[in-house]
Amino acid sequence: GNSVTQMEGPVTLSEEAFLTINCTYTATGYPSLFWYVQYPGEGLQLLLKATKADDKGSNKGFEATYRKETTSFHLEKGSVQVSDSAVYFCALSEKGTAGNKLTFGGGTRVLVKP
Amino acid sequence: NAGVTQTPKFQVLKTGQSMTLQCAQDMNHEYMSWYRQDPGMGLRLIHYSVGAGITDQGEVPNGYNVSRSTTEDFPLRLLSAAPSQTSVYFCASSPGTGSSYEQYFGPGTRLTVT
Repeated sequence: GNSVTQMEGPVTLSEEAFLTINCTYTATGYPSLFWYVQYPGEGLQLLLKATKADDKGSNKGFEATYRKETTSFHLEKGSVQVSDSAVYFCALSEKGTAGNKLTFGGGTRVLVKP
Repeated sequence: NAGVTQTPKFQVLKTGQSMTLQCAQDMNHEYMSWYRQDPGMGLRLIHYSVGAGITDQGEVPNGYNVSRSTTEDFPLRLLSAAPSQTSVYFCASSPGTGSSYEQYFGPGTRLTVT
């Protein structure tokens, strides 16, 4: 079956530091890949996505590249802000399935200190 | 647009009680789903629907029922609550059923079963 593995947190950083959150996946087909973010007390919202190999998703200074050869989709940001404190989820949705069911990683909590 | 709304925000049940978690969306989305979020496990799919009158099971369907009589509403029923169902429940919707479509999440319902 499908699975997503991401680094456990919490990750604690100072403002303006570089952030990387590793994500690797296992899928039988060619999935679409997503990063969702959950701010305290809120539901999840899409941060970025990539639908095929070598695609780069980007949004709000975050980037992730779909690497088929390493089955990875690592999230990066060059200079984090306190407002980036949240839980980040890597997820996949496999093509050809009935409905766009998401398989999530366990989430990585990020805390950015001033 | 209100997006995806969920009620109630918080609920405490005793073992064996029943209740319905409400979910509604005003974006005319075909696809709706229910997830539960447990610490360290990300979100896991309970049930989903690809349109009015069509539902199917996800990864963890036991103990939950759903129905979809309208495009807008997708309630989740717990027939006999158990402590193992203590969790945060998220409803989500998507404009299409393909794997590349973004899902829009509601704010969640925090359920405690004692």
